[in-house]
Amino acid sequence: SAVISQKPSRDICQRGTSLTIQCQVDSQVTMMFWYRQQPGQSLTLIATANQGSEATYESGFVIDKFPISRPNLTFSTLTVSNMSPEDSSIYLCSVVTGGGQPQHFGDGTRLSIL
Amino acid sequence: RKEVEQDPGPFNVPEGATVAFNCTYSNSASQSFFWYRQDCRKEPKLLMSVYSSGNEDGRFTAQLNRASQYISLLIRDSKLSDSATYLCVVNKPSNTGKLIFGQGTTLQVKP
Repeated sequence: SAVISQKPSRDICQRGTSLTIQCQVDSQVTMMFWYRQQPGQSLTLIATANQGSEATYESGFVIDKFPISRPNLTFSTLTVSNMSPEDSSIYLCSVVTGGGQPQHFGDGTRLSIL
Repeated sequence: RKEVEQDPGPFNVPEGATVAFNCTYSNSASQSFFWYRQDCRKEPKLLMSVYSSGNEDGRFTAQLNRASQYISLLIRDSKLSDSATYLCVVNKPSNTGKLIFGQGTTLQVKP
């Protein structure tokens, strides 16, 4: 399966700042997604990262708070903007290599907001 | 009703035990089903896909009952290393590639 590199692996940030998380895949993939996993919870989909166009956001998530880029088929970024302690979470990117295939995840970014 | 429901557990079993996890899903149009394993503070990793005819991978057996919208995972001869959270995952219909994750079932295998 594809090798997915996500960075940073963790960070501690001040409230009100923004952080950009990168997701790099070693091969072209059809779809890329961004998830959030809050402590003790399961995964919640933030958005689908669309290559060359605006991301598709799930209910409760907006572009101003979580801008996403996907300039090509192997790379995407998620920015967490104007962070507050409620944004403390694990952020995960995932990829799909073909139709009907399962998703594979990056290592995740553990984000703590002070 | 949640789209994917699992008993969160925890399931505490001795080594060598057989343990079964169940999961129900609400959308009958879902076509793809998976079990993922997530270790503490790690990313989810695909354990196995679930096929209509049922499938087995070593000590792990997955079953799908479409009529009841029910998925199961059976682990035989449990090992200490099986301790993890097991996520039942179902695709969101309409070919978006999106997945819906259950809240997970925690398994603790004890010596």
